[in-house]
Amino acid sequence: EAGVTQSPTHLIKTRGQQATLRCSPISGHTSVYWYQQALGLGLQFLLWYDEGEERNRGNFPPRFSGRQFPNYSSELNVNALELEDSALYLCASSWTGTGSPLHFGNGTRLTVT
Amino acid sequence: GESVGLHLPTLSVQEGDNSIINCAYSNSASDYFIWYKQESGKGPQFIIDIRSNMDKRQGQRVTVLLNKTVKHLSLQIAATQPGDSAVYFCAETPQGGANSKLTFGKGITLSVRP
Repeated sequence: EAGVTQSPTHLIKTRGQQATLRCSPISGHTSVYWYQQALGLGLQFLLWYDEGEERNRGNFPPRFSGRQFPNYSSELNVNALELEDSALYLCASSWTGTGSPLHFGNGTRLTVT
Repeated sequence: GESVGLHLPTLSVQEGDNSIINCAYSNSASDYFIWYKQESGKGPQFIIDIRSNMDKRQGQRVTVLLNKTVKHLSLQIAATQPGDSAVYFCAETPQGGANSKLTFGKGITLSVRP
């Protein structure tokens, strides 16, 4: 069974640009979660999508947005990039929205210069 | 506010010894607990989970213990191997187990000495 896959592995952007990150969940999983892992700050919850709808978002500005497609894959968009957005962005999936473990991909390393 | 934290930032153990990684949580309503392992350059990997109606659960070489009285969670790794070297995170969700409410600790580094 294929795990959660994310692309690209690395992404380098300049301040003010937009970044698009992609995620394919484990087959059968309908919930997709996005996390930011910045150095020294641990995993910070960004967004949760389930059945194509945004179900919850963390304490991040609106320039962090995303969507989930009918095949349950998802993309995260970050507009007006700032230097502080440099981080590892992790996508996770689960087969339900409650009480089932999240399974993570290996992330996209975003560097903003 | 509520938080999940780890007692020690690093743990060094001899190969073959047992490892114990501890985690304290402050939310008495926490209902579902998970341990993750993150190796360098990879995403967190699910190790084992436990619900609040249990106090112990065993997996392959790992055991999770939950003490709700003192709000303490621990991960025991038997016969620690070099491949166990990684950062370990505990995570918890409140009652109902909503995954989007999952709160992660900051992580502890396990270093295995040969």
